Amino acid sequence: DSGVTQTPKHLITATGQRVTLRCSPRSGDLSVYWYQQSLDQGLQFLIQYYNGEERAKGNILERFSAQQFPDLHSELNLSSLELGDSALYFCASSVAWDRVSRGELFFGEGSRLTVL
Amino acid sequence: AQSVSQHNHHVILSEAASLELGCNYSYGGTVNLFWYVQYPGQHLQLLLKYFSGDPLVKGIKGFEAEFIKSKFSFNLRKPSVQWSDTAEYFCAVKENYGQNFVFGPGTRLSVLP
Repeated sequence: DSGVTQTPKHLITATGQRVTLRCSPRSGDLSVYWYQQSLDQGLQFLIQYYNGEERAKGNILERFSAQQFPDLHSELNLSSLELGDSALYFCASSVAWDRVSRGELFFGEGSRLTVL
Repeated sequence: AQSVSQHNHHVILSEAASLELGCNYSYGGTVNLFWYVQYPGQHLQLLLKYFSGDPLVKGIKGFEAEFIKSKFSFNLRKPSVQWSDTAEYFCAVKENYGQNFVFGPGTRLSVLP
């Protein structure tokens, strides 16, 4: 158990719909990362938050958005879903001080999204 | 921008065979290096990490990795694999004082009993 909690574990929805994935980082971790894993694209970095602020953006579509709340949990919102959005979405957290981080990432078990 | 390459997409070995998975990165500065493993249906777990010091790093489950700075490489090794090592292995790189982790595409290891 990594200490990172993701909900829901599985989600099936239809094209055009909107879903929200939730992540609670390990206790004490300020930094949250979101990754998308699909068979053809591998592990793709989406976005990172540190203590409530967006810190880095990767290959995140405009239809997707995220935020980190004051209690440090994070949500990834996926809207206008397409078939190609079907993937495993991982959240990871790390111990991070401002601009200085030597910690590794701890991954949650992922949310498997299926878009029909 | 940093990038990470892993030499093999899929490696198939018999039990007791030796393993070496290649990882190369492109970044000129000081880096932190990681190997993660993802067992079927599970999340990524840390195998080992390198921050500084001895370039030969020992991790869990008998894995080790060697950092060769001149070759920008961080290859993963295990002298004798087991069927339970069947998994996907990811190399990752992070700037020493950064927060951006860059993952390689992964190498799928299949160990035949």
